[in-house]
Amino acid sequence: AQSVAQPEDQVNVAEGNPLTVKCTYSVSGNPYLFWYVQYPNRGLQFLLKYITGDNLVKGSYGFEAEFNKSQTSFHLKKPSALVSDSALYFCAVRVWNFNKFYFGSGTKLNVKP
Amino acid sequence: NAGVTQTPKFRVLKTGQSMTLLCAQDMNHEYMYWYRQDPGMGLRLIHYSVGEGTTAKGEVPDGYNVSRLKKQNFLLGLESAAPSQTSVYFCASSPTSGAVYEQYFGPGTRLTVT
Repeated sequence: AQSVAQPEDQVNVAEGNPLTVKCTYSVSGNPYLFWYVQYPNRGLQFLLKYITGDNLVKGSYGFEAEFNKSQTSFHLKKPSALVSDSALYFCAVRVWNFNKFYFGSGTKLNVKP
Repeated sequence: NAGVTQTPKFRVLKTGQSMTLLCAQDMNHEYMYWYRQDPGMGLRLIHYSVGEGTTAKGEVPDGYNVSRLKKQNFLLGLESAAPSQTSVYFCASSPTSGAVYEQYFGPGTRLTVT
């Protein structure tokens, strides 16, 4: 069975500090990994994805994520957090020839001034 | 392009009432999905469709039905609403041809069943 885990319900960071939001996955087959952000009362917005190639992928709003096959992780990172980054973040995985995405439970990021 | 739109944005139902949620996309996507979002549970897939005229069950399909009569529309029906169906419902779409494409989400419908 495919699954995604986001071990932290909430992450608190001060503005200007680096941030990390963790994601681990369990799949049978090669994973395709995604990060989405959800602002209050809005739908999910795509941030970035890993399909193949370079393990470090860059996305929107200065975010990046590192794919680590041996640790089955895909952590979201940003070198310097902004207050406007405060939102709910979801990790998702999809496997080739499967039509479904599997989402983690979400991590609330709080960036304080 | 409007992307993915959902109608209505808010709805309050009484137990036992029925309603239909409409999702429309103008990106010519083959795949469409219905999710529900509940606090602490992330997104759970209700039903999905891989093309016009086809539908399939997700992980929480009970109490819901769907139809995809036109490629651009995906309807989610509640025949007899229950308080457990109080949730925020999201529709999403995705192009065909493999797993490399991300999903595009609508703004959501907040449903309360009293």
